[in-house]
Amino acid sequence: NAGVTQTPKFQVLKTGQSMTLQCAQDMNHEYMSWYRQDPGMGLRLIHYSVGAGITDQGEVPNGYNVSRSTTEDFPLRLLSAAPSQTSVYFCASRESSYNSPLHFGNGTRLTVT
Amino acid sequence: GDSVTQMEGPVTLSEEAFLTINCTYTATGYPSLFWYVQYPGEGLQLLLKATKADDKGSNKGFEATYRKETTSFHLEKGSVQVSDSAVYFCALSDMNRDDKIIFGKGTRLHILP
Repeated sequence: NAGVTQTPKFQVLKTGQSMTLQCAQDMNHEYMSWYRQDPGMGLRLIHYSVGAGITDQGEVPNGYNVSRSTTEDFPLRLLSAAPSQTSVYFCASRESSYNSPLHFGNGTRLTVT
Repeated sequence: GDSVTQMEGPVTLSEEAFLTINCTYTATGYPSLFWYVQYPGEGLQLLLKATKADDKGSNKGFEATYRKETTSFHLEKGSVQVSDSAVYFCALSDMNRDDKIIFGKGTRLHILP
């Protein structure tokens, strides 16, 4: 039972560098999402997808891109890293029904210097 | 728009004390309500949920009742343990806006032995 797998666990970037945070789930969930968690801010939705080929913006999408070419994978791309993107990033998935709970990965801690 | 408000922490209690973490919400539709728990270094995991008015969710000794008249979903536990130390998040999923799950800012709970 892998659930939601995120890689890497930790990453340090310099300002201006780009990278991709990987997320994969093996539960055949249609809905996937990315959140960032910052102290005192709770969880903020970056992007989400309701199925392969469909993505949409959340609350804080600027500076991030996503794609959903398969049901299983939902990578998050940082185009040009900034110190303000220092955060812990969580990928989550769930079944299509709004009653279904989210399943979270263990997070990626990103530091941008 | 939809929102979730939960009591600010940190909350510090002695072992075997009674716990209440308040959560209130606003929603345009008829939401499902969730409590998630985050242990140090991990992602969030579902603690309990309720999908309609007067439903009581329960798990691991925790309970919360969906109160439509007061728009509340307070988390309670009769006797807390040191192992309950974690961050607790209240969340809602609105059937009219099922693409975005709204989280409260989280309440850190610290239990003293």
